[in-house]
Amino acid sequence: KQEVTQIPAALSVPEGENLVLNCSFTDSAIYNLQWFRQDPGKGLTSLLLIQSSQREQTSGRLNASLDKSSGRSTLYIAASQPGDSATYLCAVRHESGSRLTFGEGTQLTVNP
Amino acid sequence: DGGITQSPKYLFRKEGQNVTLSCEQNLNHDAMYWYRQDPGQGLRLIYYSQIVNDFQKGDIAEGYSVSREKKESFPLTVTSAQKNPTAFYLCASSRADGYTFGSGTRLTVV
Repeated sequence: KQEVTQIPAALSVPEGENLVLNCSFTDSAIYNLQWFRQDPGKGLTSLLLIQSSQREQTSGRLNASLDKSSGRSTLYIAASQPGDSATYLCAVRHESGSRLTFGEGTQLTVNP
Repeated sequence: DGGITQSPKYLFRKEGQNVTLSCEQNLNHDAMYWYRQDPGQGLRLIYYSQIVNDFQKGDIAEGYSVSREKKESFPLTVTSAQKNPTAFYLCASSRADGYTFGSGTRLTVV
């Protein structure tokens, strides 16, 4: 059974810092990995999707990497801003189906 | 714009009552999903459907039911058999390039 772990569970940083969120998964037979953002009381917003054949994806200040063989992904946020404060969720989709397995998220607070 | 619409945003249920949460998508996605989110826990899969007129149980299907009569719609019924229904419910749809989520329904038992 796929298990997804996100570290740290919570992170508080001053504005302007570069930061890294970590995601690890136990079964490397994945189809893709997706990073989401969730604001309090809201749905999930997709940030980046990395296919299993890819090593990284970039969007603006966000960069996500994938090391499938070691079961790890990182989300790098450059020059953090207070508006980046949210919970960040990592989810993996297995090769054999369409279901996603989620980590429990990292709650990020960026202080002005 | 394409997307997923969940309604209502807030829902209150009395003990012993069935309630239905609506989920509609105009993304032309074949697959749709219902997740439950509780404080301090990750998202847990309730039911999913890969195609019209077919659906499968997820990890926590007891006390819930679904239907998939149209590609665009995947309603979730929370039955009286669900003993702890207070939670945030999220609907999603997917294709090869990833998942799209709705804005959620917060269900509270009163």
